[in-house]
Amino acid sequence: LAKTTQPISMDSYEGQEVNITCSHNNIATNDYITWYQQFPSQGPRFIIQGYKTKVTNEVASLFIPADRKSSTLSLPRVSLSDTAVYYCLVGDNNFNKFYFGSGTKLNVKP
Amino acid sequence: EPEVTQTPSHQVTQMGQEVILRCVPISNHLYFYWYRQILGQKVEFLVSFYNNEISEKSEIFDDQFSVERPDGSNFTLKIRSTKLEDSAMYFCASSEPGADSSNEQYFGPGTRLTVT
Repeated sequence: LAKTTQPISMDSYEGQEVNITCSHNNIATNDYITWYQQFPSQGPRFIIQGYKTKVTNEVASLFIPADRKSSTLSLPRVSLSDTAVYYCLVGDNNFNKFYFGSGTKLNVKP
Repeated sequence: EPEVTQTPSHQVTQMGQEVILRCVPISNHLYFYWYRQILGQKVEFLVSFYNNEISEKSEIFDDQFSVERPDGSNFTLKIRSTKLEDSAMYFCASSEPGADSSNEQYFGPGTRLTVT
């Protein structure tokens, strides 16, 4: 399974756009990139998943360059409630096992 | 919106005792998972389960652990002889393959296990 590297923490202010980058240099051809959000004392919550280029849903965008060795989760206009840990996962979607990295703790300030 | 449920929310047990953590996955999901998270640390994969058998397990999932789907709705994690280091939050998750090969896992609220 491809190992992922993310910044340990990030600070932002309400209303700003936040971009969190994840490195996955040894991503395999069949691997997908998935991001989860976790609030304290809660289970992780799926945010977005992609394979290449750009994916957008109602809460975030995921940018994946052509070489797929990194990906960037973009959160538009964050609010205080977006303060959480964000995890990047890379796996082949064979539904068998998924390894979470250390995550990025996002702190949104007023 | 359908959700994964877990019981109990908090379990306190003495070292050496057996515990069973229970989960009810989303009804039409086919893949089931257990993860654990030691306080302040990352989420760790334990085991995945499909078609009534274990698909994959991590190094953490040793002989002290077992999983079972005793009926059509419950998915359980048993720890035979708990150790102090088993104290953690245990999360159950389930998923259903998407038409586009996506795999969105739905996590339960977790069971906090405290071993004394």
